[in-house]
Amino acid sequence: ETGVTQSPTHLIKTRGQQVTLRCSSQSGHNTVSWYQQALGQGPQFIFQYYREEENGRGNFPPRFSGLQFPNYSSELNVNALELDDSALYLCASNPGGQGTDTQYFGPGTRLTVL
Amino acid sequence: GQSLEQPSEVTAVEGAIVQINCTYQTSGFYGLSWYQQHDGGAPTFLSYNALDGLEETGRFSSFLSRSDSYGYLLLQELQMKDSASYFCAVRPLTGGGNKLTFGTGTQLKVEL
Repeated sequence: ETGVTQSPTHLIKTRGQQVTLRCSSQSGHNTVSWYQQALGQGPQFIFQYYREEENGRGNFPPRFSGLQFPNYSSELNVNALELDDSALYLCASNPGGQGTDTQYFGPGTRLTVL
Repeated sequence: GQSLEQPSEVTAVEGAIVQINCTYQTSGFYGLSWYQQHDGGAPTFLSYNALDGLEETGRFSSFLSRSDSYGYLLLQELQMKDSASYFCAVRPLTGGGNKLTFGTGTQLKVEL
């Protein structure tokens, strides 16, 4: 157990809808990253937040957005859902803004878009 | 860009030793990490190589050769609970932050 929690566990939406996923970082961690993991593939980096600012983004369109709150919890918002957005969404935290290869992942939210 | 290739599936028997390879094409990275992910679970950090050579952590060892663009994870004394997916990953020198680029993943099946 990493101490990183995510909600909800599972979610079903229809195409065109919007979704918000939530993540609580491990205590003392001020950096959170979000990843998308399609079935049978490795996680793909979406973006990262450090002290409430986005400081890194992967190849995802602007309809993927996020927030980080003063308590370092985070949200991932996806607008205009598409079928290909069906995936496991993982958040990961680590203790500092400095680069580190050790990410502490939450259990993920399984999103299904119909 | 970064590209990390792994065998899709490896099968071994309990008690055996298995090696999971990772070959990469990358413009530069800090080190090579390995993560384990059980079905429906979170990826968990296993091992990290910043420098070339072998790192040993209990039953798990990891190796990196930058000159060969190659690394591997070695699992000894396999147990049924080791059945999971294993991912290599790098943190690129450019792009900032803690972005990890993951490999294609290897599903390990441990049989009796």
